[in-house]
Amino acid sequence: GAGVSQSPSNKVTEKGKDVELRCDPISGHTALYWYRQSLGQGLEFLIYFQGNSAPDKSGLPSDRFSAERTGGSVSTLTIQRTQQEDSAVYLCASSLGGPGETQYFGPGTRLLVL
Amino acid sequence: KQEVTQIPAALSVPEGENLVLNCSFTDSAIYNLQWFRQDPGKGLTSLLLIQSSQREQTSGRLNASLDKSSGRSTLYIAASQPGDSATYLCAWMDSSYKLIFGSGTRLLVRP
Repeated sequence: GAGVSQSPSNKVTEKGKDVELRCDPISGHTALYWYRQSLGQGLEFLIYFQGNSAPDKSGLPSDRFSAERTGGSVSTLTIQRTQQEDSAVYLCASSLGGPGETQYFGPGTRLLVL
Repeated sequence: KQEVTQIPAALSVPEGENLVLNCSFTDSAIYNLQWFRQDPGKGLTSLLLIQSSQREQTSGRLNASLDKSSGRSTLYIAASQPGDSATYLCAWMDSSYKLIFGSGTRLLVRP
């Protein structure tokens, strides 16, 4: 069956522009997660959704970052007024039930802010 | 600060060797602990998930153990193969369901 998909796979943008990253979880998975992997740094948790709700948004790096999920399926991560330090690989994952279950990751979106 | 430390940072072994990857974490109140592998340019693949009430999990040539009291987990890979070459990441989930990752161990298995 289809795994987690993310689009675009690569994104190059200019500093100050807004970008929107998309995640399509595995069909039927109720939980969805966003992570960021910066060059030379580890994976950083950003936010997770249970259904359409995000119980904890404290992982988002700044108020320029926002995320939403609609219909219990697709999620978008939006970064406003991008900065060079936002350059990273943004990974999305989903799990069937609650967050304690195995997470299945997408291939990521590689974002480069010039 | 919640931290995960993985040792060694890099490892190169000849094919066929058994090897152990180490992970230590600072908080004993974990929800679960997971091991992932990451291949270059790709996302993460979940290998094993150990719930906080469990001591170990096995899948094929992989065995992961969890000792909450000492804050340690180990991933044992038996009879390593070149296809095992990847970065192995340890992550523990806290009570608010955040996964906290280590920086990984880069494994190279030489034919």
